[in-house]
Amino acid sequence: GNSVTQMEGPVTLSEEAFLTINCTYTATGYPSLFWYVQYPGEGLQLLLKATKADDKGSNKGFEATYRKETTSFHLEKGSVQVSDSAVYFCALSELQGAQKLVFGQGTRLTINP
Amino acid sequence: GAGVSQSPSNKVTEKGKDVELRCDPISGHTALYWYRQRLGQGLEFLIYFQGNSAPDKSGLPSDRFSAERTGESVSTLTIQRTQQEDSAVYLCASSRRASVTSNEQFFGPGTRLTVL
Repeated sequence: GNSVTQMEGPVTLSEEAFLTINCTYTATGYPSLFWYVQYPGEGLQLLLKATKADDKGSNKGFEATYRKETTSFHLEKGSVQVSDSAVYFCALSELQGAQKLVFGQGTRLTINP
Repeated sequence: GAGVSQSPSNKVTEKGKDVELRCDPISGHTALYWYRQRLGQGLEFLIYFQGNSAPDKSGLPSDRFSAERTGESVSTLTIQRTQQEDSAVYLCASSRRASVTSNEQFFGPGTRLTVL
């Protein structure tokens, strides 16, 4: 079946550091790929998405590129801020039926000033 | 407009009791999903409603779990004879299902269920 594997946390960085959170997937066909973020005390929010190979999703300084050849969708940011502290989830959307989201286990990111 | 809302935000119950969780989707969203998030884990799909079609119940973990949705509005998730392993955050999401590549799901704040 479809699955998503993402970098285990927690991840702790200093402000202005470079961030990479790895995400790889296993799927039939070419699903849409997503990064969701859950800030402390808030609900899950869509951060960015990509719907086909080589697409780059971007938002709030975060980027991720849909790599078909490596089945990956790594999240990157050049200079993180304290306000980026949150839990990040990589997910894929199945193409058939319910198009349910299949999530990775989440990566908790803490940015220290 | 308003986002997805869920109630209650927190529910503490005793083992063996029944609980009912409610979800109000975004107006005009035809698709509605329930997910479960256990502590330290990702979200697990439970059930999906699309318009008046038969729901996809493939993610329900046992027959103690059931859900209903009236048309394209409110949905309720019912857990009968709750067990401690049912403790989790239950999340509802809705989407417009405009196309296969545009199925962005919007999540509610969740209901945190604790079974003692």
